[in-house]
Amino acid sequence: GAVVSQHPSWVICKSGTSVKIECRSLDFQATTMFWYRQFPKQSLMLMATSNEGSKATYEQGVEKDKFLINHASLTLSTLTVTSAHPEDSSFYICSARDAALGFSNQPQHFGDGTRLSIL
Amino acid sequence: GQQVMQIPQYQHVQEGEDFTTYCNSSTTLSNIQWYKQRPGGHPVFLIQLVKSGEVKKQKRLTFQFGEAKKNSSLHITATQTTDVGTYFCAGTNNAGNNRKLIWGLGTSLAVNP
Repeated sequence: GAVVSQHPSWVICKSGTSVKIECRSLDFQATTMFWYRQFPKQSLMLMATSNEGSKATYEQGVEKDKFLINHASLTLSTLTVTSAHPEDSSFYICSARDAALGFSNQPQHFGDGTRLSIL
Repeated sequence: GQQVMQIPQYQHVQEGEDFTTYCNSSTTLSNIQWYKQRPGGHPVFLIQLVKSGEVKKQKRLTFQFGEAKKNSSLHITATQTTDVGTYFCAGTNNAGNNRKLIWGLGTSLAVNP
């Protein structure tokens, strides 16, 4: 159980393109999902917390107009990188917590990640 | 802000040797979680520790949570090549909403066969 599907796995596109990444919890409901960015051989950097039915909470330094998050249902959150540039190239990973397990002390279940390369 | 320090950053061992990674938080944690990320993969949840002084074992892996709930360790006995990857600790505290995880920088383990 506790499977999170992230799509697409990798994207290569031209500068100026907007890229949408989907994160789905397949066998549980997630009121909260998290979006991370990870550079090679570095730790996970939390970008934002996605809340079902409300606005996402962005971490300091993350542009909310650049990284649009929509969490329209209990099983789907999307991250759209708008007008992507080469510096946005990175590994983006989402994670989700099972809402049925309560609010705190829950493990996060991660998607496989999306490797984004902007030319 | 709250930080979780993790050491060492890298560890290279011979297969069969033991391995330990340590995490220290600047503040008291409500719980700490450990994750493993294989090269090219995503983090996978290993375990969660909640109680002060808690010790949990998973086969060759032993996890400890300090008495003050500010530090934790992961010890692997007799490493195998399948243990290769980066091990992250991540803690939460009782402050704020959503209880987001504060991540350590990870310890990358390489195992020579």
